[in-house]
Amino acid sequence: AQSVTQLGSHVSVSEGALVLLRCNYSSSVPPYLFWYVQYPNQGLQLLLKYTSAATLVKGINGFEAEFKKSETSFHLTKPSAHMSDAAEYFCAVSGGGYQKVTFGTGTKLQVIP
Amino acid sequence: GAVVSQHPSWVICKSGTSVKIECRSLDFQATTMFWYRQFPKQSLMLMATSNEGSKATYEQGVEKDKFLINHASLTLSTLTVTSAHPEDSSFYICSAREATGEAGELFFGEGSRLTVL
Repeated sequence: AQSVTQLGSHVSVSEGALVLLRCNYSSSVPPYLFWYVQYPNQGLQLLLKYTSAATLVKGINGFEAEFKKSETSFHLTKPSAHMSDAAEYFCAVSGGGYQKVTFGTGTKLQVIP
Repeated sequence: GAVVSQHPSWVICKSGTSVKIECRSLDFQATTMFWYRQFPKQSLMLMATSNEGSKATYEQGVEKDKFLINHASLTLSTLTVTSAHPEDSSFYICSAREATGEAGELFFGEGSRLTVL
């Protein structure tokens, strides 16, 4: 069994400020973890993924996430927010291979000019 | 990354009619495709898992006779909403997994906005 909890359905940051989106997971097997971004009326785009290699994962658009097994966390960060980062972000977990991917409830990021 | 194309992006239909949505993997073979439904301001709800050449596996509470899924080839899956009603109006998203993908990451289509009048 696996699940994902995203803390905070809405996060607001000022342009240029640090972005931190929280994700905690639960998995009975070593997890594969993902962050996806969704812009209005569009599908989801993969930002980054953790696949049991390096615990600090760098993704597109300057985002990165750190896998912390002891905290069962996979928080998404970006040093400096841009207006174009405003979107919905989903954390997801999978057991890999052909197993289902379970999504969190999403966090809407608002960037204030 | 791999590309998944979904068509149509927008569709409006009358109540009682059927609507077909296509999901294609353009540059890879997808043995497994997934269909999701997303309600406004909510997460993705997995409707069914579609495996090439076999029957789809539906999630609990999803009517298989209502939402017909066909995965006839390694690059195409279709979702047909039969006898659509206004409550079927939603954003439907497909995703595909590469046959050789280790981590099981999903590649998503652009989504299809269905409005039933």
